Amino acid sequence: NFMLTQPHSVSESPGKTVTISCTRSSGSIASNYVQWYQQRPGSAPTTVIYEDNQRPSGVPDRFSGSIDSSSNSASLTISGLKTEDEADYYCQSYDSSNPWVFGGGTKLTVL
Amino acid sequence: EVQLVQSGAEVKKPGESLRISCKGSGYSFTSYWISWVRQMPGKGLEWMGRIDPSDSYTNYSPSFQGHVTISADKSISTAYLQWSSLKASDTAMYYCARGAGTGDYWGQGTLVTVSS
Repeated sequence: NFMLTQPHSVSESPGKTVTISCTRSSGSIASNYVQWYQQRPGSAPTTVIYEDNQRPSGVPDRFSGSIDSSSNSASLTISGLKTEDEADYYCQSYDSSNPWVFGGGTKLTVL
Repeated sequence: EVQLVQSGAEVKKPGESLRISCKGSGYSFTSYWISWVRQMPGKGLEWMGRIDPSDSYTNYSPSFQGHVTISADKSISTAYLQWSSLKASDTAMYYCARGAGTGDYWGQGTLVTVSS
């Protein structure tokens, strides 16, 4: 089994750019797609990035995803931060033995 | 419009049984797996298991195997998550999501509270 490790929390000011990392413990990050989910307080998760770097319709282009094989990690970058971006963010991936694996979640504070 | 609509909040006693539901609409229900995800109070997301509604084939996380049952009724586009004997530690929010390895659409969640 592999794990996905995220920072517990990040904070940044409105208008700035923040990047949240997600490191895979074993197996290649490039082998299986990574998704990113946003969960605002009291709400269900919603998808902000799927298949490493694809944005669902309706998600602003301020959200972008990438993977880095050298560090075996994925990243979610949010530019032009808004107070409405304050939420928990979860990365998620899978492999043939583990259908869904979530990272522990990162609390984004926009202050 | 794709929607997953879950049943309402439940309050149960330890040892009681429970079935919660997730009704899909706006797409071909049998074309996509349904997964169930648990979120305990103040904690992260945990994958519980999934079902292929076309044939009711299921996979479970080892952490939940034997404690819950996932089923589906394709005639009414509904998936279910069931417990035969609840424990206080089952108190959590439960989400259904569409997808086998990823979740593109999510239900609104069902809060299950187990307390004596």
